[in-house]
Amino acid sequence: DSGVTQTPKHLITATGQRVTLRCSPRSGDLSVYWYQQSLDQGLQFLIHYYNGEERAKGNILERFSAQQFPDLHSELNLSSLELGDSALYFCASSVEPRNTIYFGEGSWLTVV
Amino acid sequence: AQSVTQLGSHVSVSEGALVLLRCNYSSSVPPYLFWYVQYPNQGLQLLLKYTSAATLVKGINGFEAEFKKSETSFHLTKPSAHMSDAAEYFCAVSNQAGTALIFGKGTTLSVSS
Repeated sequence: DSGVTQTPKHLITATGQRVTLRCSPRSGDLSVYWYQQSLDQGLQFLIHYYNGEERAKGNILERFSAQQFPDLHSELNLSSLELGDSALYFCASSVEPRNTIYFGEGSWLTVV
Repeated sequence: AQSVTQLGSHVSVSEGALVLLRCNYSSSVPPYLFWYVQYPNQGLQLLLKYTSAATLVKGINGFEAEFKKSETSFHLTKPSAHMSDAAEYFCAVSNQAGTALIFGKGTTLSVSS
């Protein structure tokens, strides 16, 4: 158990819908990262927040957004979902950038 | 931009044989390098990391990796494979700001008895 908690573990939704994935980082970790894992794209970095502020953006679509709240939990919002958004979404956390990053078990999103 | 290339998407070994998973990196600055393992239906677990200290890094489960600047490589090895090592392995490099890990495409390790 890495200490990073993600909910829900599995989610099935229809095209065009919007979903929110939630992440609770390890106790004491200020950095939260979101990654998308799919068969064709592999592990893609989406976005990084540090203590509530966005620090880095990767290959995140405009339909996707994220935020980190004062209690340090984070949410990834996915809207206008397409079939191609079906993937495993990982949240990860670290004390701060350049420290070891710990991954949650992921949220499986299936868009039908 | 930093990147890693994992050579071989699939490696098969026999139980007790040497495991060698290859990773080459591209970085204009001294890199931080990592190996993660992903077991089926699980998240990623850190095996080991290189942060410019010793070039030979020992990790969990008997794995180790050697940083070779001249070859821009960070290959993962284990002297004797166990059935439980069957998983997907990812090499990663930290970006220059240290704000993200950039992953390779992964290598699936199969171990046969």
